[in-house]
Amino acid sequence: NAGVTQTPKFQVLKTGQSMTLQCAQDMNHEYMSWYRQDPGMGLRLIHYSVGAGITDQGEVPNGYNVSRSTTEDFPLRLLSAAPSQTSVYFCASSYSRIADGYTFGSGTRLTVV
Amino acid sequence: KNQVEQSPQSLIILEGKNCTLQCNYTVSPFSNLRWYKQDTGRGPVSLTIMTFSENTKSNGRYTATLDADTKQSSLHITASQLSDSASYICVVMHSGYALNFGKGTSLLVTP
Repeated sequence: NAGVTQTPKFQVLKTGQSMTLQCAQDMNHEYMSWYRQDPGMGLRLIHYSVGAGITDQGEVPNGYNVSRSTTEDFPLRLLSAAPSQTSVYFCASSYSRIADGYTFGSGTRLTVV
Repeated sequence: KNQVEQSPQSLIILEGKNCTLQCNYTVSPFSNLRWYKQDTGRGPVSLTIMTFSENTKSNGRYTATLDADTKQSSLHITASQLSDSASYICVVMHSGYALNFGKGTSLLVTP
């Protein structure tokens, strides 16, 4: 049981480049979400999904796109990377949005230069 | 504005000692309060979750308390171990299901 798998673990992008952060879970969780963690700040919600085909914006969605074509996968796309998007990104999943505990991936550390 | 404030920001204790971390929140209406442990370079891991009607919950050497009237929570760690060195994050869920994350308390347990 792998839990929540995020790839890549580290990435360096140039300003203006695009890329996709991958997130996969094997627990048949309906709810999946993306957060960013910046120094001196709590985690902030970027986008979330309550099931395949359903996505919605979180607190800081600008510059990011998501889709949910399957229950297992929830990729996060950076359309045109900016230095302000330098951060650590975490994917989390749970049975439902109000479920007891979210299972987090180990994170992707992204640097935009 | 819904906020979650944690104190202290950082803490150093000797192995074997106890410690208590604090969390004050203004989130309203309140649904539940969670404590997570985040090791360096890893994602957060859930320790406890408490609803409005619960005022204490334990998970091994970790005991969380909740006072919904004063909007305060604490996480008490008993007989600390080196592996307890981590960031501890208080998270409050709004009744509309939004999670409000604190900035965390960084704990270092030294030999």
